[in-house]
Amino acid sequence: TQLLEQSPQFLSIQEGENLTVYCNSSSVFSSLQWYRQEPGEGPVLLVTVVTGGEVKKLKRLTFQFGDARKDSSLHITAAQPGDTGLYLCAGRLGGYNKLIFGAGTRLAVHP
Amino acid sequence: DTGVSQNPRHKITKRGQNVTFRCDPISEHNRLYWYRQTLGQGPEFLTYFQNEAQLEKSRLLSDRFSAERPKGSFSTLEIQRTEQGDSAMYLCASSLAWGGAYNEQFFGPGTRLTVL
Repeated sequence: TQLLEQSPQFLSIQEGENLTVYCNSSSVFSSLQWYRQEPGEGPVLLVTVVTGGEVKKLKRLTFQFGDARKDSSLHITAAQPGDTGLYLCAGRLGGYNKLIFGAGTRLAVHP
Repeated sequence: DTGVSQNPRHKITKRGQNVTFRCDPISEHNRLYWYRQTLGQGPEFLTYFQNEAQLEKSRLLSDRFSAERPKGSFSTLEIQRTEQGDSAMYLCASSLAWGGAYNEQFFGPGTRLTVL
């Protein structure tokens, strides 16, 4: 059982559609980060959320941290083929420095 | 220096051989992390350094694995007597040591290891 559960595992949509991916846990995280990873490359940091209830927007991407800091969501508006990739959430527990990752959501956006 | 670099990008080796990977972090970052990622999974933490001190090691890091950061700059990860189960992407990340929850980790492109 993973400490961070991501859903859905796979998502295949048409260009222009909206989507939401989820990252859930029973543990409280001091911070949570979202990354996007292309095949054969390392994860690229998209955003860090720290405060419960925090909402951050990055162009068409909206990130939310749950009030209890146990869950997070990523919403993409009007998806584009360039959004295709593996979306990973990663959290830090307490004062620990290591990141705990979910298994990821693989998104495919078709033209 | 615009990011974390890793070498080699790909390594194919035969079972039982030793391999060594190198990571060069972002120059002002004093923390350096190693993760391993297998197919269909997210990265898993292996170990991290603050300057030259290795501060935490995962139970995943068997005694065949050793990591060093001798001068607090680049780091090496060595795997001795490789096994097929070691086949994975080995990722390096770096971060600053201050900033609390905003100690964001930036990843390199990874080294893909294939053990035949």
